[in-house]
Amino acid sequence: AAGVIQSPRHLIKEKRETATLKCYPIPRHDTVYWYQQGPGQDPQFLISFYEKMQSDKGSIPDRFSAQQFSDYHSELNMSSLELGDSALYFCASSTGQGVFYGYTFGSGTRLTVV
Amino acid sequence: QKEVEQDPGPLSVPEGAIVSLNCTYSNSAFQYFMWYRQYSRKGPELLMYTYSSGNKEDGRFTAQVDKSSKYISLFIRDSQPSDSATYLCAMSEEDDKIIFGKGTRLHILP
Repeated sequence: AAGVIQSPRHLIKEKRETATLKCYPIPRHDTVYWYQQGPGQDPQFLISFYEKMQSDKGSIPDRFSAQQFSDYHSELNMSSLELGDSALYFCASSTGQGVFYGYTFGSGTRLTVV
Repeated sequence: QKEVEQDPGPLSVPEGAIVSLNCTYSNSAFQYFMWYRQYSRKGPELLMYTYSSGNKEDGRFTAQVDKSSKYISLFIRDSQPSDSATYLCAMSEEDDKIIFGKGTRLHILP
């Protein structure tokens, strides 16, 4: 079965650089969520999109922005990277009917800022 | 105080034992309760979900929610080495974004 695809799997950037993370949801899933998971930490909600519109916003820094495109894939853009941005970034998708029907998570993008 | 509290472990049990994992929470508005399993370098995988209070059973897994005590549990029967992973509880108010616990690392010893 198709899963949530995230790219790249690994990314190494220097401080103050920019990074773009991509998420391709499961076909027919119209909702995408982004989470940040620091080492040994629980995933923290960043932002979500439903039908290409931002639906909720969590602890996302102003240096980060995201959008969902017409094909429902989403991109997380991160600028002026800091060492503390090093983390695993997950996206999850759902049918828009919400968490009761279960998110499906991608395998994540591991971002290392050096 | 975090909205969701979960003992990070690690928890080591012998193969075949019954495992009990639990979380407490402070937000009485949570209505949706989930358990995720996360293997190393992988995304969380949904195991069980329940709405409001009660029990739910799926194979070797049983989820319990006690809203009056703000306490949820996951029981794993006949534990297997392949059950070794981090288990995250997660909760949601309005069927949207979810709040995770820190996860409990579980080791099943052969």
